[in-house]
Amino acid sequence: GAGVSQSPRYKVTKRGQDVALRCDPISGHVSLYWYRQALGQGPEFLTYFNYEAQQDKSGLPNDRFSAERPEGSISTLTIQRTEQRDSAMYRCASSLAATNEKLFFGSGTQLSVL
Amino acid sequence: AQSVTQLDSHVSVSEGTPVLLRCNYSSSYSPSLFWYVQHPNKGLQLLLKYTSAATLVKGINGFEAEFKKSETSFHLTKPSAHMSDAAEYFCVVRTLGRGKLIFGQGTELSVKP
Repeated sequence: GAGVSQSPRYKVTKRGQDVALRCDPISGHVSLYWYRQALGQGPEFLTYFNYEAQQDKSGLPNDRFSAERPEGSISTLTIQRTEQRDSAMYRCASSLAATNEKLFFGSGTQLSVL
Repeated sequence: AQSVTQLDSHVSVSEGTPVLLRCNYSSSYSPSLFWYVQHPNKGLQLLLKYTSAATLVKGINGFEAEFKKSETSFHLTKPSAHMSDAAEYFCVVRTLGRGKLIFGQGTELSVKP
């Protein structure tokens, strides 16, 4: 595609519900990253993939958070039993190669947990 | 562990005057450093990157940054600010092993007419 696409653009959910956030990277990009950005803060690393392999998940806050990229393209970030503190902008980025530092970011999914 | 510290949360300049956004890094080895820009309601965009080839790095839109090992700094500059430069700027370091990028807290740049 022309850019990194994330859906939904906005997600409002009630505390305790599960949510799934989708990221469609630029076609052919090897690496895919998930970041979380709170208002007024820099993006905080969550996890990243090279192809379908999850390389680093050290940034996932707890075991309610998980991510997958089963076919090495589209990725889903799942948050189970959401809590209010999970509210943030969730950003996905992709890069052409694993060693390429130029990340292309999507517009993000704004998650609000009520 | 690698980290970056952006010394100013907000910088305000007049159009046509120089821009200086300050960043200090912490790394036990020669780091890879970047500046990203985020315009309102837009995704982040790479401005420039330093990967040890040259200490003065030129980026897009007239921005440049100088890597100073003795000062552990990587400040972003532009000779003359334009209204369109108003945005949030992030200093970023890449961790050893070519993995994740670590972002600073960000500096919001305002440009007054």
